[in-house]
This record gives sequence, C-alpha cells and structure tokens, in this order.
Amino acid sequence: KNEVEQSPQNLTAQEGEFITINCSYSVGISALHWLQQHPGGGIVSLFMLSSGKKKHGRLVATINIQEKHSSLHITASHPRDSAVYICAVLVSSGSARQLTFGSGTQLTVLP
Amino acid sequence: DGGITQSPKYLFRKEGQNVTLSCEQNLNHDAMYWYRQDPGQGLRLIYYSQIVNDFQKGDIAEGYSVSREKKESFPLTVTSAQKNPTAFYLCASSTRGLGGSYNSPLHFGNGTRLTVT
Repeated sequence: KNEVEQSPQNLTAQEGEFITINCSYSVGISALHWLQQHPGGGIVSLFMLSSGKKKHGRLVATINIQEKHSSLHITASHPRDSAVYICAVLVSSGSARQLTFGSGTQLTVLP
Repeated sequence: DGGITQSPKYLFRKEGQNVTLSCEQNLNHDAMYWYRQDPGQGLRLIYYSQIVNDFQKGDIAEGYSVSREKKESFPLTVTSAQKNPTAFYLCASSTRGLGGSYNSPLHFGNGTRLTVT
C-alpha cells in the first residue's frame, strides 16, 4: 500500500467549477507539500504546510493532522489550471527526513 | 532570474552507454536532489546532496552516480548497470536539506526525458 494516496487520479471540470483534490497518508509527517506539474514536465511548489490552511490566489490547501488528510481546492477553475497536482509528505525517521510523493492527480479544465 | 536548469530536455542513448544529465542552479541552495518519474508512479529519490563534496544514496541509487564538486552543479550519470533507464528525470534544490528545517520548499528544473533503446 502506498504511504501517500491521492484522489481522484483523473479529474475533468468545466471552466469556473470549484475543484477539490484529496491526499491521504498513512504515516506521521512533519509537513506536506502540494506541487503542480505542467504538461512540459516542470514542477512548481504551490504550498508547504504542517497545520491549518494556506491560501494563494484561487488556491487553498488544508491539512488535518489527526485524520492524516489534506485537500487542495481551486476556486473558479480555468483551463490554465490544467496540470498534474502532486502531494508529497515529509516523513521523519530518527534524524533522517524523506519526502514521499503521491502519484498525482491529472486535472483537465475545459473552456 | 534564479532557477534550476536541466539539460538537455530530451536525450536518446543506445543500451550499454553511460549518459550524464546536467543540473545547474543559481539559487545559492545548499541541497540538491535527483528524482526519477515513471508513468503512474510518484517521484522516487535517486541521490541527494546537502553540501558540496557530499552526497547520499536515495531509494533507487543502483545504476546511477553523482558528483557535487561545486555548489551550483549536481550532474547525474546513468550507467549501463541501470536496468531500466528510460524515464523522466527531475533535479531539485532547496535552501536546506531535508534533515534541516522542514520549512524549505523544493525548486524543480524542467526535467530531462531519457530514452534508451
């Protein structure tokens, strides 16, 4: 079983719709990252959070440490939001820390 | 503008040949990483370096080698010992390594797609 599970794997929405992407993890973590991978392959860091909620423009990321769950919300979606969204968790093991990545959610926003 | 440059974007090699992927950053970051991405899978860590002249194996280091002679550069060599080298390779950097504060976002390059036939 993967330590990081994302849902859905694929999501198609109409422009303007509200979008939610979910990330569940099975281990204790220090922090969680949300990343955006563009069709060309480059990855951009969207959020890094360890509690509560963060907002940037039309994007909001939330995390519930007790439930081991995070969500990424996109308000008023636009075709330029089409990308793969990746959740990654920072796991501490003794003095070592490691990022474990989900397999991503492919979002397509249609005009 | 600061960032990470990976070159080339596409690389084709014959089986049995070693190939080196370039990664350069001008962000003055201490830590650099190499990840491999395969379809339907999460990124997997190949090697990472938290400081010049030091690097550590990640989860899938077999068949790969790296060097970190300069802070700005972290080249990855895919050797002929790597059984399945065809993949998308991503280089990343952060101000501190993962062993330091967690409050250190990752910056990624645009990747190199390697095809070995």
